[in-house]
Amino acid sequence: SQQGEEDPQALSIQEGENATMNCSYKTSINNLQWYRQNSGRGLVHLILIRSNEREKHSGRLRVTLDTSKKSSSLLITASRAADTASYFCATDQTGGYNKLIFGAGTRLAVHP
Amino acid sequence: GAVVSQHPSWVICKSGTSVKIECRSLDFQATTMFWYRQFPKQSLMLMATSNEGSKATYEQGVEKDKFLINHASLTLSTLTVTSAHPEDSSFYICSAPGPNLDTEAFFGQGTRLTVV
Repeated sequence: SQQGEEDPQALSIQEGENATMNCSYKTSINNLQWYRQNSGRGLVHLILIRSNEREKHSGRLRVTLDTSKKSSSLLITASRAADTASYFCATDQTGGYNKLIFGAGTRLAVHP
Repeated sequence: GAVVSQHPSWVICKSGTSVKIECRSLDFQATTMFWYRQFPKQSLMLMATSNEGSKATYEQGVEKDKFLINHASLTLSTLTVTSAHPEDSSFYICSAPGPNLDTEAFFGQGTRLTVV
């Protein structure tokens, strides 16, 4: 399969709670990128983590990468209703150049 | 930052007709661009790699005669869905690589194709 795996497929939380999404992939990578997509619209880039990095922060976002387990996680802290969207991880495989393989995605719903 | 412009943002066409989608890099040159397809409630699937001045490389299972890709200049790649059918209805989106391996890809806005 072209896709990596993400879990959970869907996540429903209350505002103020944290949301954690996990991503697993199959091959060695240059980097891993997380994207957000609102209801079938365009992609918004959130964060890129290089293969030699283990953790990265951006505002309320925290991304970890474990290349030995071929997995990554995205944590959104203090979630807001506006965070409701689908979140995808995408891997830039070694030997490629932003030829991205996307995970299955997590649909996040944040309730006021 | 670098911008990739994709047109049209949505299109409705009749079965059997062809539809062309354009993807332009506005302030940089892109020798390579990528085309993805996304069905409702699913993830993005890489369809093909568009290479300036040479043939596109298609992923397994993607019909090259149905999805024609042309990359005639360093700033424009086009995807033509030929003889479109309702099952081709989908969200199509293009991307161009960033300037180096530590830069994210630059995505177009996407095109929602509905075939009736």
